[in-house]
Amino acid sequence: AQSVTQLDSQVPVFEEAPVELRCNYSSSVSVYLFWYVQYPNQGLQLLLKYLSGSTLVKGINGFEAEFNKSQTSFHLRKPSVHISDTAEYFCAVSDTGGGNKLTFGTGTQLKVEL
Amino acid sequence: DAGITQSPRHKVTETGTPVTLRCHQTENHRYMYWYRQDPGHGLRLIHYSYGVKDTDKGEVSDGYSVSRSKTEDFLLTLESATSSQTSVYFCAIATLGESYEQYFGPGTRLTVT
Repeated sequence: AQSVTQLDSQVPVFEEAPVELRCNYSSSVSVYLFWYVQYPNQGLQLLLKYLSGSTLVKGINGFEAEFNKSQTSFHLRKPSVHISDTAEYFCAVSDTGGGNKLTFGTGTQLKVEL
Repeated sequence: DAGITQSPRHKVTETGTPVTLRCHQTENHRYMYWYRQDPGHGLRLIHYSYGVKDTDKGEVSDGYSVSRSKTEDFLLTLESATSSQTSVYFCAIATLGESYEQYFGPGTRLTVT
């Protein structure tokens, strides 16, 4: 079984500032890692994913994340946020054995202020 | 757009009544999932399906059943709704292989009074 920890429930940041949303996972097997974004009253949209290869992955809307196996982390970063990035962000993990069953973290609410 | 629709989008029902939520996909994906979203819990897997008539339980399956008689439809049933099942329910499909992504529907907001 896997688990995902998103320690920060809310992150306020000013527009054009950099931001990092933290994600740590626990698993006894190899995993795939994902970040999703949810805008108010909408479904989830995939931001980026790590399956294998380069540990730095780039996603949509200027976001990137780095897989760190030794620290079991997959932190999400953006060098300069925009007001439109205000949303809830979810980190998720699945094992590589098939079925793609996702285990989600509890989410981080990113609030971008002017 | 992964072609996923959910119906109804909103529903209010009374405790003890049966409720069925429908997820419909247009792209013939093999894997389908039902999650519930609650504040402070993120999304949790209820049931999933890996083919017609092939389903299995997820993390929070108690009080829920599912059926999949056609590739395109995945039904979630609450046999006797309880207030603890008030939630937002999301359906998802997965593209496996190299892409390995999961796409979500718009959600159904269910209130059990």
